[in-house]
Amino acid sequence: EAQVTQNPRYLITVTGKKLTVTCSQNMNHEYMSWYRQDPGLGLRQIYYSMNVEVTDKGDVPEGYKVSRKEKRNFPLILESPSPNQTSLYFCASSLMVAYNEQFFGPGTRLTVL
Amino acid sequence: GDSVTQMEGPVTLSEEAFLTINCTYTATGYPSLFWYVQYPGEGLQLLLKATKADDKGSNKGFEATYRKETTSFHLEKGSVQVSDSAVYFCALTSGTYKYIFGTGTRLKVLA
Repeated sequence: EAQVTQNPRYLITVTGKKLTVTCSQNMNHEYMSWYRQDPGLGLRQIYYSMNVEVTDKGDVPEGYKVSRKEKRNFPLILESPSPNQTSLYFCASSLMVAYNEQFFGPGTRLTVL
Repeated sequence: GDSVTQMEGPVTLSEEAFLTINCTYTATGYPSLFWYVQYPGEGLQLLLKATKADDKGSNKGFEATYRKETTSFHLEKGSVQVSDSAVYFCALTSGTYKYIFGTGTRLKVLA
């Protein structure tokens, strides 16, 4: 089954404790992206990757890191999480950004205390 | 920069009512336009898309027409069902590799 998977689905952590949210797709997509969803703000793009080893900042990259060492994986790293990073996070992938739909993962709900 | 503005929700309708959710955009160049739907507890999924001016996207009874002259991509459905209750997002992508979403409009359909 074609899908985007994310882990963990739920995470409660404390300020400053490094964490990684994994994202994997099995559709051989070149483009992958991370978003955060907050009430009243919709989805905002954090980082995106056009292919292996090629990443760039979205609209809200501060406090996040990403890497793309393999085509299928695109982990999101929070080196020192803060409470304002409490949010619902989505990973997505597509064949290429223009004209094609993005396929979304099920989301990761992160709470930083 | 590019942006998407969609109507505030929530929108509450009775079953079989007509639905319109407004979406306008600002973009350089010629963006592609999308509507995504998010059901409770799930990720987003594509509802429909249009890639050039005057294109009409349609799916599951929903329609939207890419209007370049009014920079709009309004979502419509002639007769909504309870199962259409969800959050709807308008989005665009242009040649910058970035994806821009609106703030989402929550739709609640009452039986």
